[in-house]
Amino acid sequence: GAGVSQSPRYKVAKRGQDVALRCDPISGHVSLFWYQQALGQGPEFLTYFQNEAQLDKSGLPSDRFFAERPEGSVSTLKIQRTQQEDSAVYLCASSLVAGGITGELFFGEGSRLTVL
Amino acid sequence: EDQVTQSPEALRLQEGESSSLNCSYTVSGLRGLFWYRQDPGKGPEFLFTLYSAGEEKEKERLKATLTKKESFLHITAPKPEDSATYLCAVQATGGFKTIFGAGTRLFVKA
Repeated sequence: GAGVSQSPRYKVAKRGQDVALRCDPISGHVSLFWYQQALGQGPEFLTYFQNEAQLDKSGLPSDRFFAERPEGSVSTLKIQRTQQEDSAVYLCASSLVAGGITGELFFGEGSRLTVL
Repeated sequence: EDQVTQSPEALRLQEGESSSLNCSYTVSGLRGLFWYRQDPGKGPEFLFTLYSAGEEKEKERLKATLTKKESFLHITAPKPEDSATYLCAVQATGGFKTIFGAGTRLFVKA
């Protein structure tokens, strides 16, 4: 596809369940970012990959959050033992440029997670 | 601490009524300031990057400007299709994190 694809678009989980969110970036994009967006707020940085290397994970809120991009393309964000405060939209963005320094990030439509 | 504050939170305009959105920022060293547009249920869409004070960028009815402490997004003669949330973000030198403001929700009435 031409854009960034995220799946699932919607996920409902019971508290304590594990979830996995997938991101297919634009082919050839070296940079991949994950963001968390709460209702009415701007996106908050979670983690950054340059190819397969996770260069910044300072935004991950707890050790229940884990991200990987093993082959430098598709990425998965995993949340273990989900809590209600994890309910949010999780956005993936990719960039052709290392570090996304041009600001031209291409975002997917997001995965909306609701934890009951 | 790096921070981005946007005002107003919401702005209601009549079609054709020009206005400006404000983005105030504090950052240790600015690599770039970015503007995005976000429609409901969608991811943000890139609009502009500004790198240094005095720089301006234009696209259709939108014009972004940058000073050492603020950026403005000027909307000239807006149309209803300009209704969206406009997000401002900064990236500091030496890092990869892009810090977003909470956005300004713009409503343009025909």
